[in-house]
Parts: sequence; structure tokens; C-alpha cells
Amino acid sequence: GAGVSQSPRYKVAKRGQDVALRCDPISGHVSLFWYQQALGQGPEFLTYFQNEAQLDKSGLPSDRFFAERPEGSVSTLKIQRTQQEDSAVYLCASSLGQELNTEAFFGQGTRLTVV
Amino acid sequence: DAKTTQPPSMDCAEGRAANLPCNHSTISGNEYVYWYRQIHSQGPQYIIHGLKNNETNEMASLIITEDRKSSTLILPHATLRDTAVYYCIVSPQIGSGTYKYIFGTGTRLKVLA
Repeated sequence: GAGVSQSPRYKVAKRGQDVALRCDPISGHVSLFWYQQALGQGPEFLTYFQNEAQLDKSGLPSDRFFAERPEGSVSTLKIQRTQQEDSAVYLCASSLGQELNTEAFFGQGTRLTVV
Repeated sequence: DAKTTQPPSMDCAEGRAANLPCNHSTISGNEYVYWYRQIHSQGPQYIIHGLKNNETNEMASLIITEDRKSSTLILPHATLRDTAVYYCIVSPQIGSGTYKYIFGTGTRLKVLA
């Protein structure tokens, strides 16, 4: 595809349910980021992958959040036992290189609503 | 631990230049200044980035002060489609081991017809 694709676009989960959010980065992109964006706020960093290696997970808010990118392409963000405060848009971004001076391409996000 | 300060909102008349300021007084020597924008219900879109020199591309110009403590994003002829939230970001320091880009709350630019 031409851009970063995220699925599903919308997800409603009952409190306590586990969810999995998928990100298909641009083919060949080495770097992959996950962000969380609450209503009216800027995106907040969750985690970063360089190929399949998770090099920075300092932004994950709790051990209920887990991300993986096993083959260095598609990534999944999993949230266990969802809580209402997890309601947000989850954004994925990819960039071609591993350098920090390259542009990132964002997907449209997955809007998670926990009820 | 925000690294940048931006005004929360600005208005600009259609066809005029929009000048969006950003303060980043604690920026380090190898940290880049990035600008992204986010149109409602979409993911952020890259606009431009720079280190020391002024930069220009088909979307905008970036003016960085000589001391690098502030910068201005210039949209030369704003259109209604430029209405968005604009984020000024300082990249993580190369070699720091972190990849955390901090977006802050940005400037909500409204272009008026």
C-alpha cells in the first residue's frame, strides 16, 4: 500500500476485555512507532521498534500494554484488561531509516472506546 | 518534560502568510526541529525539519534563529485546507538511547475565508 495502514479504524471494547490493534507500515521502513492520543491532546509516545527489535518502550503506561513486531514489518499493540482510561486514538508511524533525522509517516489511527 | 512551547491558537486570513512560532530554549546541538500538522480525524502529517539552517520545501519554510532557541514555520499563502493543529517537536538526542518524540499540545491554526 501507499501509506501506513491501521486496523480496525474503530474498536469498542467492554472494560476488562483484551484488544489487539494492527499496524502495517510502509514496505521497507525500518522504524516503527506507536503513539496514544487522548481527546484534545497531542500524541504521546508509547514505544519504538527498529526492525523487530523493540528499542524503547518507555512510554507504555502499564504492563497491560504490550507491542510486538516479530518479523520486522507488521506490528501489533495489545492491551489487556482494558480500562476506561485506555480510551484514545492509537497512532502508528513508520520511517525509512533508523536515524532520528528522517520524517515519519503516520496512519489514520485506531479509535478505541472502552465502555 | 515538554521541550517546546507554542501558542495554543492562531488565526490567519486566507491567502496571507501564516507564521507559527515555537520556543525550544533547551535544545541541544544535535537535536532537530520538526514540524507536523494534524487535520481533524487524521494522523499527523510531516511538514518540514531542520538542524541549523533555514529550510524550504513545497509546503512551508522553517526559519531557525542563530542560537537555535526558537523557530518559525511559515505557510506562505494559507488556504482553508491548512486549518489544523501544528506541532513543533525537538527530536530525541542522537545517541541518547531514546526515540521519544514529544508532541505537546501544538498550535491550533484557523484559516479564515
